[in-house]
Amino acid sequence: QSVLTQPPSASGTPGQRVTISCSGSSSNIGSNYLYWYQQLPGTAPKLLIYNNNQRPSGVPDRFSGSKSGTSASLAISGLRSEDEADYYCAAWDDSLSGPVFGGGTKVTVL
Amino acid sequence: QVQLQESGPGLVKPSETLSLTCTVSGGSISSYYWSWIRQPPGKGLEWIGYIYYSGNANYNPSLKRRVTISVDPSKNQFSLELNSVTAADTAVYYCARGQIQPYFDFWGQGTLVTVSS
Repeated sequence: QSVLTQPPSASGTPGQRVTISCSGSSSNIGSNYLYWYQQLPGTAPKLLIYNNNQRPSGVPDRFSGSKSGTSASLAISGLRSEDEADYYCAAWDDSLSGPVFGGGTKVTVL
Repeated sequence: QVQLQESGPGLVKPSETLSLTCTVSGGSISSYYWSWIRQPPGKGLEWIGYIYYSGNANYNPSLKRRVTISVDPSKNQFSLELNSVTAADTAVYYCARGQIQPYFDFWGQGTLVTVSS
C-alpha cells in the first residue's frame, strides 16, 4: 500500500489531454514539493517534474504539474505514442522522514 | 554526464545478505545525496535509503533494521547491504543521485536481485 494514491491506469488517443492525480496528506504533499517520474518499459525512472511544476531541461512543455493542498496532478497535453509509460508521483514525508512514492499510473495511448 | 552503474549478485539465498555497489562516473560523489530505490516485479517504487558523501545516512523506517548504506568517496562508490532477505526482497534495485527531497536526477539502469534457494 503506497503512501501516495494514484489511479492505476489512464488512457487517451493521440493529441488528447490526459490528467493523472496524486493524493496524499498534510505530512507529505501538503507541506512539501511534489515530483513526477516517467518510467518507460524496461528502463529506469526519469525525472519529469520537480518542485510541483518545474520541468528539467529537455522535458517537453506538453508535461505540466500542479499542486493544491494535499493533492497534485500531472497533465499530458497533445498525447503521443511515446508517452505510453508508467508515471509515479513522489514527495518527502515529514512523519516518515523520507521520500514516499505513489503506486504508479500506467498511461496507455489508444 | 553523470552515470551510475549497479553491480552485485543477481541471486541471493533466503536469510542471507544482499550486497550491491553503485559506481559513479562522469562526476564526483561529493556534495550530493545518493539513494537506493527498489521496484518489485510489476510493482511500484520504494525508497530504501540515502547517504550523503560525508557518510550521514537515512533509511526507510520499514527497512531500517536490516539496511546499511555506506560510501567510499575515494572510489566514487556507495553500497547497499540488506540482511535477512526473503522472497519479498526480490526486486530491481536502482541507485540514484538526488537531494533530501525526492529529486532524483540520475539513475543507474537497475539490477534484478532474486531471493531464492
